[in-house]
Amino acid sequence: IAGITQAPTSQILAAGRRMTLRCTQDMRHNAMYWYRQDLGLGLRLIHYSNTAGTTGKGEVPDGYSVSRANTDDFPLTLASAVPSQTSVYFCASSPVPREGQFFGPGTRLTVL
Amino acid sequence: GQNIDQPTEMTATEGAIVQINCTYQTSGFNGLFWYQQHAGEAPTFLSYNVLDGLEEKGRFSSFLSRSKGYSYLLLKELQMKDSASYLCAVMDSNYQLIWGAGTKLIIKP
Repeated sequence: IAGITQAPTSQILAAGRRMTLRCTQDMRHNAMYWYRQDLGLGLRLIHYSNTAGTTGKGEVPDGYSVSRANTDDFPLTLASAVPSQTSVYFCASSPVPREGQFFGPGTRLTVL
Repeated sequence: GQNIDQPTEMTATEGAIVQINCTYQTSGFNGLFWYQQHAGEAPTFLSYNVLDGLEEKGRFSSFLSRSKGYSYLLLKELQMKDSASYLCAVMDSNYQLIWGAGTKLIIKP
């Protein structure tokens, strides 16, 4: 692994199903983030983690949960998917705030 | 509330210069970032400004005026590969990034 990876690349999901989006980084960054990106809107923060073992809510956390059991992994779970959760999801990590955030390639999720 | 404004779309000619503006109102300020995002790809870091003034990095420069809540990204000697969206983001008092919707830059030959 070099950098930050996400899986799956894309997914079509039936409404009501549970889904976990995976994110792994090998840069030993303390902070990790989950965003969604929708057409015409800026990136919106869903959840974040400043360090392993801690998580926090962002701007649009409802319907999503996260965990941070170790430094490298930061999975995002949709407990019961709804069509409004159709979006592109980006995971990002950061060593320190002023160095910016490094993004994974994204997961394109469609909920029908 | 928190707000980041930037133009939705701009068009420029290959070889020319273009300036993309960003104005912001946020709860606290810990710096302003510019990112580039090609269609279907992830955003990539371009620049970071925390003090007033101009930061130059090759063909790209970024300017900040904290008193005016204003920044711009200047792209010189435009190339076709510069066709992308440019995202302005402000780091607020909680060190979280607040993002603008992005400016889609179209480069014509």
